[in-house]
Amino acid sequence: GAVVSQHPSWVICKSGTSVKIECRSLDFQATTMFWYRQFPKQSLMLMATSNEGSKATYEQGVEKDKFLINHASLTLSTLTVTSAHPEDSSFYICSARGPTVLNEKLFFGSGTQLSVL
Amino acid sequence: GIQVEQSPPDLILQEGANSTLRCNFSDSVNNLQWFHQNPWGQLINLFYIPSGTKQNGRLSATTVATERYSLLYISSSQTTDSGVYFCAVDPYNFNKFYFGSGTKLNVKP
Repeated sequence: GAVVSQHPSWVICKSGTSVKIECRSLDFQATTMFWYRQFPKQSLMLMATSNEGSKATYEQGVEKDKFLINHASLTLSTLTVTSAHPEDSSFYICSARGPTVLNEKLFFGSGTQLSVL
Repeated sequence: GIQVEQSPPDLILQEGANSTLRCNFSDSVNNLQWFHQNPWGQLINLFYIPSGTKQNGRLSATTVATERYSLLYISSSQTTDSGVYFCAVDPYNFNKFYFGSGTKLNVKP
């Protein structure tokens, strides 16, 4: 299979603090991972594409300095929400293309519910 | 950019009933996938189906690429089928998937 693990599942933080979310591919190497954001009862919006060993590619309208992405290895990408504010509260989900024989498919982590007080 | 529309937005079924979910897209696509998001937020890949027909148990999907739509069939629905179904397309094979607005399915016992 192709398992993507995401931690934490939920986090509550105070306004102004930073939060790091981890996304790991457990049984395959993922040179590319994706970060999505989902508001309640809405669809998924692609935030950025995370590339191992290089800078992330951000979608239009996504603040690079607020949402820091690091893809330091073939199995780990992190999203750091810096100086979080209540409007950053959302469900964040990572995904990766599957391994070779499943490369055309997307596999998702379980998501992180961020609540900023 | 490409537009992805799903219908119906909401669907309520009695357990055992069949249903058809539709995904229309406004441009040619290289990759189309169907996902099920359970009530806890986890997305499960159901089908990779840029064209043709596939079946997996009680679920099947058909994509008619020339007419720019895809259908997801659910037969003999079960309460565990409840959740939101999304189709997602990658029109340019650039690893950018655009998601439809989803169909929220509620299967009642």
